[in-house]
Amino acid sequence: DIQMTQSPSFLSASVGDRVTINCKASQNINKYLNWYQQKLGEAPKRLIYNTNNLQTGIPSRFSGSGSGTDYTLTISSLQPEDFATYFCLQHNSFPLTFGSGTKLEIK
Amino acid sequence: EVQLVESGGGLVQPGRSLKLSCVASGFTFNNYWMTWIRQAPGKGLEWVASITNTGGSTYYPDSVKGRFTISRDNAKSTLYLQMNSLRSEDTATYYCTRGSYGGQGTLVTVSS
Repeated sequence: DIQMTQSPSFLSASVGDRVTINCKASQNINKYLNWYQQKLGEAPKRLIYNTNNLQTGIPSRFSGSGSGTDYTLTISSLQPEDFATYFCLQHNSFPLTFGSGTKLEIK
Repeated sequence: EVQLVESGGGLVQPGRSLKLSCVASGFTFNNYWMTWIRQAPGKGLEWVASITNTGGSTYYPDSVKGRFTISRDNAKSTLYLQMNSLRSEDTATYYCTRGSYGGQGTLVTVSS
């Protein structure tokens, strides 16, 4: 099984900051990496698919990059509505596996 | 507009069964793979099961393999998750998903 190590677990930042969240796979996942945002009490929402493809309707301040085993979600300028928990998901092979999540909090 | 509406959750005793449903609308259901994921209270996301668009192949993690069965009725645009031999660790909100779309979830609580 592919393990996804997500970091950091918690991130405190201010509106306007640039932040990065990382996911490291235990083996090459060939860019089959998605990023999700989840707000309290809501279903997760896919932001980015296959490393760097922005989901329709998602603001361009969100971007993804990476290859091989290392992947990054970047938010270029944090907005108040971005404070949430973020998860990565590898779908290169079954079993699909999620990262443990990054809770992004207001500083 | 794509909509996925889950139902069937509730309180169930350990060892018993429960069947979840997800009614899909707004897209051609039989063109898409479908997936169930879950989230235990205060925890992260876990993949539970996937099924091909025809229903010909299904996939599970070891944590539910042999206990859960994903199925679909393409004529009814409905996805199912039959959950048997439920355990306390199966307590979670279960979400029906298709790519970027997901329902609001249905809560399953396994407790005596």
